[in-house]
Amino acid sequence: DSGVTQTPKHLITATGQRVTLRCSPRSGDLSVYWYQQSLDQGLQFLIQYYNGEERAKGNILERFSAQQFPDLHSELNLSSLELGDSALYFCASSPQGLADTQYFGPGTRLTVL
Amino acid sequence: AQSVSQHNHHVILSEAASLELGCNYSYGGTVNLFWYVQYPGQHLQLLLKYFSGDPLVKGIKGFEAEFIKSKFSFNLRKPSVQWSDTAEYFCAVNAGYGGSQGNLIFGKGTKLSVKP
Repeated sequence: DSGVTQTPKHLITATGQRVTLRCSPRSGDLSVYWYQQSLDQGLQFLIQYYNGEERAKGNILERFSAQQFPDLHSELNLSSLELGDSALYFCASSPQGLADTQYFGPGTRLTVL
Repeated sequence: AQSVSQHNHHVILSEAASLELGCNYSYGGTVNLFWYVQYPGQHLQLLLKYFSGDPLVKGIKGFEAEFIKSKFSFNLRKPSVQWSDTAEYFCAVNAGYGGSQGNLIFGKGTKLSVKP
């Protein structure tokens, strides 16, 4: 158990819908990262937050957004869902968010039908 | 853009065989390197990491990796694999201060199947 929690574990929804994935970092970690894992793209970095502020953006679609709240938990919002958004979404956390070890949560498996 | 290459997509070994998984990265600046393992249906777990110092790093479960800067490589090794090592292995680089503010760039992964 890494100490990073993610909810829900599974999510099944329809195209065009909007979903919210939630992540709680390890105690004391200030930085949260979101990654998408799919069969064709592998593990791709989406976005990073540090202490409530966006720090870095990767291959995140405009339909996706995220935020980190004062209690340091983070939410990833996915809207206008398409079939291709079906993937595993991992959250990771690290103490400072600069070249330190990231610890991954169990992931949310999103299925878009 | 930075990239990580893992040479083998799928490796099949018998128990007690030795393992070496290749990893090359493209970034030329300061790098931190990681190997993560993903057991079937589970999340990524850190096997080992290299930040600086001794280029031969030891991780959990008997794994080790060697950082060779001149070859931009960070190969993972284990002298004798077990059936329980069946998993997918990911090499990752964190580009540090000069790069992307801490996020990881992953290779495509290598699936290891160990036959009992």
